[in-house]
Amino acid sequence: GAGVSQSPSNKVTEKGKDVELRCDPISGHTALYWYRQSLGQGLEFLIYFQGNSAPDKSGLPSDRFSAERTGGSVSTLTIQRTQQEDSAVYLCASSSYTEAFFGQGTRLTVV
Amino acid sequence: DAKTTQPPSMDCAEGRAANLPCNHSTISGNEYVYWYRQIHSQGPQYIIHGLKNNETNEMASLIITEDRKSSTLILPHATLRDTAVYYCIVRAQTFSGSARQLTFGSGTQLTVLP
Repeated sequence: GAGVSQSPSNKVTEKGKDVELRCDPISGHTALYWYRQSLGQGLEFLIYFQGNSAPDKSGLPSDRFSAERTGGSVSTLTIQRTQQEDSAVYLCASSSYTEAFFGQGTRLTVV
Repeated sequence: DAKTTQPPSMDCAEGRAANLPCNHSTISGNEYVYWYRQIHSQGPQYIIHGLKNNETNEMASLIITEDRKSSTLILPHATLRDTAVYYCIVRAQTFSGSARQLTFGSGTQLTVLP
């Protein structure tokens, strides 16, 4: 596709379950970002991948959160033992050297 | 990335120009000024970016002061669909290995009034 694709678009999970969120970036983009946005709040940086460099994980809120990027393309954000405070929209973006393009996000609801 | 300062909210009448200011007094020589907007429940959308010259595209114009310490995003004829949160970001264009290259502040909530 032409844009950043995220799946699923919506996810409802029970507290304590693990979830995986997927991001398909724009082909050829070397940088990939994950953000989350709680209701009515701004974008909170989570993790940043740039080429083959070690990712910047400094934004991950706890060790329940992890992300990987396979083959420099698709990325998966995993949240283990989900908590209600994890409910948010999770946004992925990819970038070359200029502007970053965002996906439409995955709305995660933990019940 | 240098920090930016934006007013939390602004109103604009439909059909009039919306002028959104941004202060970035600590911007470095290799940092560009980027503008994004986020319409409710959607992912952020790129609008425009520039280094030191004024820029214009089909969406907006970007005016950067000569000292580069501030800029203004201009939507020449605002419509109701332009109601959104507008983010001003400064960002190095080349990847020097520093992380977190795209940092969002609080932005400006622009409300276009009918």
